[in-house]
Amino acid sequence: GQQLNQSPQSMFIQEGEDVSMNCTSSSIFNTWLWYKQDPGEGPVLLIALYKAGELTSNGRLTAQFGITRKDSFLNISASIPSDVGIYFCAGSTSGTYKYIFGTGTRLKVLA
Amino acid sequence: DGGITQSPKYLFRKEGQNVTLSCEQNLNHDAMYWYRQDPGQGLRLIYYSQIVNDFQKGDIAEGYSVSREKKESFPLTVTSAQKNPTAFYLCASGTGAGYTFGSGTRLTVV
Repeated sequence: GQQLNQSPQSMFIQEGEDVSMNCTSSSIFNTWLWYKQDPGEGPVLLIALYKAGELTSNGRLTAQFGITRKDSFLNISASIPSDVGIYFCAGSTSGTYKYIFGTGTRLKVLA
Repeated sequence: DGGITQSPKYLFRKEGQNVTLSCEQNLNHDAMYWYRQDPGQGLRLIYYSQIVNDFQKGDIAEGYSVSREKKESFPLTVTSAQKNPTAFYLCASGTGAGYTFGSGTRLTVV
């Protein structure tokens, strides 16, 4: 089955640093979602994007819906230890309830 | 509070046994999904259902079965035909605006 490519696969950063990750697809999507998964838990929705070029923030998190509609970006500013986890992107075409998930970016924050 | 509940949190299965994982939601979502997650891996779709009494195979349906007799419930049975069932299983419900996930069931074969 199709999966979206997320980059980087994993990253170690120092507390206080900014983080950037992206997600790319060979297909055009109409909706992009970003989730965070803590160890042993289910993913939790962080940000939803519904329009090409849209930029949406949620606290220290900012996500953008790429102009080509084939990519999306997530930025975390001033990282803190609780940002540790796996970040997943997900995309969907219009008229479907089925989302395709990315391979995940594993973030580790060094205090 | 509306949400999605998976049970049990941990499940142990002997070789050759069938086990059923429970998933219940009170979000009034039409669509429900089952995913499998292996260590260090992403989410792989097992089965999904967009309406009661109907469901479709996902990417890795072999060795699994589901039912959707009620809108609120979408149980997953891991059968003895699934040769490598040890994994973290996630249930989700959703609309076109996105999914809500349960907290997962960790299944281990002993």
